[in-house]
Amino acid sequence: NAGVTQTPKFQVLKTGQSMTLQCAQDMNHEYMSWYRQDPGMGLRLIHYSVGAGITDQGEVPNGYNVSRSTTEDFPLRLLSAAPSQTSVYFCASSYRNRGNNYGYTFGSGTRLTVV
Amino acid sequence: DAKTTQPTSMDCAEGRAANLPCNHSTISGNEYVYWYRQIHSQGPQYIIHGLKNNETNEMASLIITEDRKSSTLILPHATLRDTAVYYCIVRPDSSNTGKLIFGQGTTLQVKP
Repeated sequence: NAGVTQTPKFQVLKTGQSMTLQCAQDMNHEYMSWYRQDPGMGLRLIHYSVGAGITDQGEVPNGYNVSRSTTEDFPLRLLSAAPSQTSVYFCASSYRNRGNNYGYTFGSGTRLTVV
Repeated sequence: DAKTTQPTSMDCAEGRAANLPCNHSTISGNEYVYWYRQIHSQGPQYIIHGLKNNETNEMASLIITEDRKSSTLILPHATLRDTAVYYCIVRPDSSNTGKLIFGQGTTLQVKP
């Protein structure tokens, strides 16, 4: 049971390049989310998914795309990287227990620098 | 959405109890209070959650006031490893979308 796995751990991109941040979980969690965290700031929700085939926008979705073709995977795509997207990205997943109680499990993060 | 208010920072002596307050005066009747913490550069870690009763687990205790407008997270015997940013979060809606919205949190510094 690996939990939430994010790859890569570090990435440097040039402005205008595209890339995909990978997130996979092996806990059969229904819910998955992507957050970004800028230096000295709290986490901001980018996109989230309540199940395979269902995604929705969070607080800061512009410049990012997501898809959820399987329960296990929730990749985040940067279409045309900008320096403003330099941040640490966290993926999280959760299981809906009985009674609407659940806690999220977070990955270890991807540190992205756009130059 | 129910908003939370937490002090920006707190200090605690090692071995003493750390009491972290959170105000959530606009909380709805079916919204839960969650606590997470983030140790430097790591992903946030779930600590505990509750609806209206006090809760305790191996990590911490959660005390929720009777009117549910505030709560306190208690780390009974703080260690240096408990130095982290602690986030109090109220689940933002009742439609169970799975969203968690983070605020700025409280930076807890445990000192020797």
